[in-house]
Amino acid sequence: EVQLLESGGGLVQPGGSLRLSCAASGFTFSNYAMNWVRQAPGKGLEWVSKISGSGDSTYYAASVKGRFTISRDNSKNTLYLQMNSLRAEDTALYYCATRIATPGAFDYWGQGTLVTVSS
Amino acid sequence: DIVMTQTPLSLPVTLGQPASISCRSSQSLVSSDGNTYLSWLQQRPGQPPRLLIYKISNRFSGVPDRFSGSGAGTDFTLKISRVEAEDVAVYYCMQPTQFPYTFGQGTKLEIK
Repeated sequence: EVQLLESGGGLVQPGGSLRLSCAASGFTFSNYAMNWVRQAPGKGLEWVSKISGSGDSTYYAASVKGRFTISRDNSKNTLYLQMNSLRAEDTALYYCATRIATPGAFDYWGQGTLVTVSS
Repeated sequence: DIVMTQTPLSLPVTLGQPASISCRSSQSLVSSDGNTYLSWLQQRPGQPPRLLIYKISNRFSGVPDRFSGSGAGTDFTLKISRVEAEDVAVYYCMQPTQFPYTFGQGTKLEIK
C-alpha cells in the first residue's frame, strides 16, 4: 500500500526556516518524481515544487523560487522541503504528492503538515 | 502560466440529481506527446485531495462510475450522474502540461 507521511510543520516567525519531510512507502521511491502542493487555510491548492526520481531535476513555483529547496534521499525513501525566509503568506497545509499509476495526475497524496508563519 | 478557470464556484444540488462542473484552461493542454493531461480531484472536508479522473476521462481506481469526465483542448467537464451525500466536497481541475502546474479555484458542491 502506498503511503506518504509528512512531518516537520509548526509555528515559525517571519524570516525563519523550517524543513518538511515526507516519508514514502509501498512503492519504489527512486523511480518516481515527487511534488509538494500547499493549501492556505480556506483556500485552494497551489503546486509548490517537483523533483525527479533521481533528484537531478527540480522545479519551483515563482512564489517560492530562491527561498525553498526540494530534495530527496532515495536511501531513506524520504522527500524534503527546506523553507527559508518564510513569510506570512507561506502559511498553509503542505502535502506531498506523486504520480505512480496514472499518467499526468497526482494519484497519491499524504495527509499534510501545517506550517504557520506568525510572530 | 496556464490559468484554470472553474465554473460554478458553488454548486447546490439535490440528492439524486446530476451535477456538472466546467474547467477552462487559458492555453491548450495538449502535450507534446499528443496526450491531454487534465485531471479532476475531490477534496472532502478535512481530507487531502483524492484523484477522481485523469487524462480527461479516465476514472482512477475505486472511483464510482457516476463520475465522468469529458472535453478537449481547453474546455473540460466533470459530471456526476446522481449526486450522493458522500459527494459533498470541493472539486479541482489540474494541469501538469506546463510548469508551473496549476489548479482551478475549486467548486464547492453542497446538498440543497
